[in-house]
Amino acid sequence: AQKITQTQPGMFVQEKEAVTLDCTYDTSDQSYGLFWYKQPSSGEMIFLIYQGSYDEQNATEGRYSLNFQKARKSANLVISASQLGDSAMYFCAMREGLIMIYNQGGKLIFGQGTELSVKP
Amino acid sequence: EPEVTQTPSHQVTQMGQEVILRCVPISNHLYFYWYRQILGQKVEFLVSFYNNEISEKSEIFDDQFSVERPDGSNFTLKIRSTKLEDSAMYFCASSERQIYGYTFGSGTRLTVV
Repeated sequence: AQKITQTQPGMFVQEKEAVTLDCTYDTSDQSYGLFWYKQPSSGEMIFLIYQGSYDEQNATEGRYSLNFQKARKSANLVISASQLGDSAMYFCAMREGLIMIYNQGGKLIFGQGTELSVKP
Repeated sequence: EPEVTQTPSHQVTQMGQEVILRCVPISNHLYFYWYRQILGQKVEFLVSFYNNEISEKSEIFDDQFSVERPDGSNFTLKIRSTKLEDSAMYFCASSERQIYGYTFGSGTRLTVV
């Protein structure tokens, strides 16, 4: 079963406007973490933002914020004031079982990604 | 800012050959991972490593794959006999603690011909 779903394969946004990238997840764990990564054309994976399942406030990091709706199991990324350098692939990812046995791996499960293009 | 270093950035190898992908995790991190990304597809977990042993591996990580931390700094992924379908970007990552996000290296693009 798909654990992380990103339904938008591609998105366009005008420079300086805000954009929301969708992410829904599926887990039966009570404790989990949600992450967003940016992958520019050069290929590296850049960590953007993290939301823990028990965090009551939505996470924010500069121009990035995470719209976390636990009941709907969604963790959408909002980028405010888009810049040309924001053009990239964006991946949502989940780590299940944050409270876990000390030596367990804590792997990330990734969605398919959304390719964002910022237009000048 | 500390970073995870991967070498080489690009490797071309013939089918059936062994390859070793190298990574230097961040020095105070305890958890190490390998992921791969076939071109145009999502990032997939391969293996996690803690306290000098594998803590979890995916079905992709079969007997052709192995990982090692030969000294205090390097973390390697070996593919014993490469197949065409092993062509992908391979990412190393490390984490100080499990509950935090982790830092990815810039990847090694492996091309099997």
